[in-house]
Amino acid sequence: SQTIHQWPATLVQPVGSPLSLECTVEGTSNPNLYWYRQAAGRGLQLLFYSVGIGQISSEVPQNLSASRPQDRQFILSSKKLLLSDSGFYLCAWRPPRLAEYQETQYFGPGTRLLVL
Amino acid sequence: QKEVEQDPGPLSVPEGAIVSLNCTYSNSAFQYFMWYRQYSRKGPELLMYTYSSGNKEDGRFTAQVDKSSKYISLFIRDSQPSDSATYLCAMRGNYGQNFVFGPGTRLSVLP
Repeated sequence: SQTIHQWPATLVQPVGSPLSLECTVEGTSNPNLYWYRQAAGRGLQLLFYSVGIGQISSEVPQNLSASRPQDRQFILSSKKLLLSDSGFYLCAWRPPRLAEYQETQYFGPGTRLLVL
Repeated sequence: QKEVEQDPGPLSVPEGAIVSLNCTYSNSAFQYFMWYRQYSRKGPELLMYTYSSGNKEDGRFTAQVDKSSKYISLFIRDSQPSDSATYLCAMRGNYGQNFVFGPGTRLSVLP
């Protein structure tokens, strides 16, 4: 079975500090990977998605960047955090194109980021 | 007009009640429809997935899609306190990579 991991679970960082959040998926190959941010009381905002190693698409201009150094690893980064970067960050994966259940997404446990 | 709209609630019901959660959308190209349950401080968990119009049932949960009205629903029968969570609808078209999520409805089932 497939599992998705995110760490850390909680992070408190000062404004201006760097950020690195990691997501890994087990039990599947060539997944589509996604980073979302969820602000309190609001819906999910898609930040980045990736269809393969080194392939990153950005949905919104922001202070963040993403990388996919390995097939099942997705990293969200920032060089200098802003107060507005606080939120709940979720990684998700989607099965490869040819799977019969391809039209869905599965989420990780999330990372709660507080920028002070 | 937002692409996907959902009443944020909170919706409070007594245990055992039938719950109806709804989303409306504006993009007629959407073909795949999902419902997620999200407990506080946790990642969303997939509940139901439906393609195009029609009904789908899984235990106490029934998902309905009415593409002509651009309206989807999730029904929960015999609701339990453990159903207390935020419910998110999500959808996408046949092409492209991106899902569009509703803002979520917060449900409380009171014992």
